[in-house]
Amino acid sequence: SQTIHQWPATLVQPVGSPLSLECTVEGTSNPNLYWYRQAAGRGLQLLFYSVGIGQISSEVPQNLSASRPQDRQFILSSKKLLLSDSGFYLCAWSVAGTDTQYFGPGTRLTVL
Amino acid sequence: AQTVTQSQPEMSVQEAETVTLSCTYDTSESDYYLFWYKQPPSRQMILVIRQEAYKQQNATENRFSVNFQKAAKSFSLKISDSQLGDAAMYFCAYVGANNLFFGTGTRLTVIP
Repeated sequence: SQTIHQWPATLVQPVGSPLSLECTVEGTSNPNLYWYRQAAGRGLQLLFYSVGIGQISSEVPQNLSASRPQDRQFILSSKKLLLSDSGFYLCAWSVAGTDTQYFGPGTRLTVL
Repeated sequence: AQTVTQSQPEMSVQEAETVTLSCTYDTSESDYYLFWYKQPPSRQMILVIRQEAYKQQNATENRFSVNFQKAAKSFSLKISDSQLGDAAMYFCAYVGANNLFFGTGTRLTVIP
């Protein structure tokens, strides 16, 4: 069966520091991968999605970036965090060409 | 642009009773998918139920069912025989090309 992992689960970082969040999927090949952010008390906002290695689409302009160095690995990065980057970050995957997305456990990021 | 609206920020239901959560959406597409996701305190997004827009039959998953009214662009979730474990945030979502549009959520409280 397929599983999706995210780490770290919780992260507290100072303003201006770099960020790297990792997401990996097991049990499937060539998945579509997604990064979402959820601000406190709000719905999800799609940040990035990827349909293949090295193929990244950005939905929202910001100081975050994403990379997909391997088929089942998706990384969310920032060179310098802002206070507004605080939130809950969720990674999701779907079978290529299908509509249902499955979510990882998420990372709670606090920028101080 | 697609939008998803959940007009009930909070709902409560007595244990073993039935509750209906509302969702409306706006789209110009004729073929799409709709979802209800549950987000318990752990914050992991869990797929509850999925509806294909081209299917007239309402989806059902055990105690969860939907009332899909395509012409009215309405997609409500009915939870029967509510259980304490149903307490969570519920998000309605619409799938367009390669991404999801989420509503702002409804917090469901189950009263013992």
